[in-house]
Amino acid sequence: QVQLVQSGAEVKKPGASVKVSCKASGYTFTSYDINWVRQATGQGLEWMGWMNPNSGNTGYAQKFQGRVTMTRNTSISTAYMELSSLRSEDTAVYYCARARIGYFDLWGRGTLVTVSS
Amino acid sequence: EIVLTQSPATLSLSPGERATLSCRASQSVSSYLAWYQQKPGQAPRLLIYDASNRATGIPARFSGSGSGTDFTLTISSLEPEDFAVYYCQQRSNWPPGYTFGPGTKVDIK
Repeated sequence: QVQLVQSGAEVKKPGASVKVSCKASGYTFTSYDINWVRQATGQGLEWMGWMNPNSGNTGYAQKFQGRVTMTRNTSISTAYMELSSLRSEDTAVYYCARARIGYFDLWGRGTLVTVSS
Repeated sequence: EIVLTQSPATLSLSPGERATLSCRASQSVSSYLAWYQQKPGQAPRLLIYDASNRATGIPARFSGSGSGTDFTLTISSLEPEDFAVYYCQQRSNWPPGYTFGPGTKVDIK
């Protein structure tokens, strides 16, 4: 079954970091970029960045430069997104999504990250 | 940076009616535009890519059109499961990345 399975919900304090995982199955992990998109409650979709699982190359939205790191472990077909210096405004559902030439055809179910003191 | 604008913000219609959603780009994106549907508590689902191509498994009542800066998603006859939020999305080469529109909510009148 082709799917992306994300790690469970996280609660973090302001200033901490969070690392969310996204495990791919049913397709060749290294053949498609993995992107991360977040969504605050009741808000729209916000693209954070991409990673090429084959090369490890990444590209981040300017808003998150310096705070986000996207990595992967090809041996277990898993992508990671780490966001540091968390603040309350980072409370959101974080999605990983597979990219195919300009669009996202496969999404994880999302991981809720709550930032609260 | 390309900005996407969607209208209307909310569309109130009855089942069986036709829905017409608009997405406008601040500069040309050629045909590199996609549409997604999102229901509460779910991840977005790809409906249309490259402006007019239906994704796998998407019913024929969904169609997309447009190129350049103006795009339309049409749902020919609304089914109960179509009431949701719809987002358009484009890919830019510079700065490299993706942008989503703010969304149009289609709700039951």
